[in-house]
Amino acid sequence: NAGVMQNPRHLVRRRGQEARLRCSPMKGHSHVYWYRQLPEEGLKFMVYLQKENIIDESGMPKERFSAEFPKEGPSILRIQQVVRGDSAAYFCASSPLQTAYEQYFGPGTRLTVT
Amino acid sequence: DQQVKQNSPSLSVQEGRISILNCDYTNSMFDYFLWYKKYPAEGPTFLISISSIKDKNEDGRFTVFLNKSAKHLSLHIVPSQPGDSAVYFCAASLYGGATNKLIFGTGTLLAVQP
Repeated sequence: NAGVMQNPRHLVRRRGQEARLRCSPMKGHSHVYWYRQLPEEGLKFMVYLQKENIIDESGMPKERFSAEFPKEGPSILRIQQVVRGDSAAYFCASSPLQTAYEQYFGPGTRLTVT
Repeated sequence: DQQVKQNSPSLSVQEGRISILNCDYTNSMFDYFLWYKKYPAEGPTFLISISSIKDKNEDGRFTVFLNKSAKHLSLHIVPSQPGDSAVYFCAASLYGGATNKLIFGTGTLLAVQP
C-alpha cells in the first residue's frame, strides 16, 4: 500500500521560471492538502482540494500560485515566476473521506530558487 | 497570529525515561488535535490524535492528554528510545467546518540520549 508520493524530491529553478510540483495521494484517498515549510518554521497550510474542486485556498498567495486536482492524475501545485522567497519544502498530504482530520504526508519537494 | 504554540524548541531525555512534549492553543473551536514526528528531509509521520471530546488517547508507547480548560495538550512517550529523536509537531484541526486544514506549531526537537 504505497504512501503519498511527491515528485520531484528536489527542484532547482532560476528566478522567473515556473515550478511544477506533483502529488499522488494514497490509494482510496480523495482529499489532498498542500503545506509549505519555510526554513526554521512550522508547516503552513496552503490549499485543500478534492477531485476537480478547490475547497479552501485561504493559505495560498494570491499571485503566481495555483493548484489543481484533476479527475485523473496527480495534484499539481504550480508556482509561476518563482522568486527566492519561494525556496522552501512543499509537502502534500492526503486523507480518506471518513477520517478526514488525519492527514498522511508525502516526503516533500525541496524547491531552491537561485 | 500563532494559534498553536510549542514553547520548547528542544528537549533532551535519557533513553528509557519519559519524554513529555507540550503544546498550547488559543482557538477553542479546534475539535481535533494531532501529533506528527518528522525526521530531516522527510515528510511528517502521523503519530496519534485526540478528539476535543476526550481527555486522553493511548497508542502503545504514545499517550496524548488534552486539557480543554487550559487549552493545553501534551504527548508522553514511555519509554523513550533513541529512534524517537526527531522534531515533533502538534497540529489542530477545525474538522467539520468548511475546511480540514491543519494548523501546526513550530515543533520541538527531541533528542533521546543512549
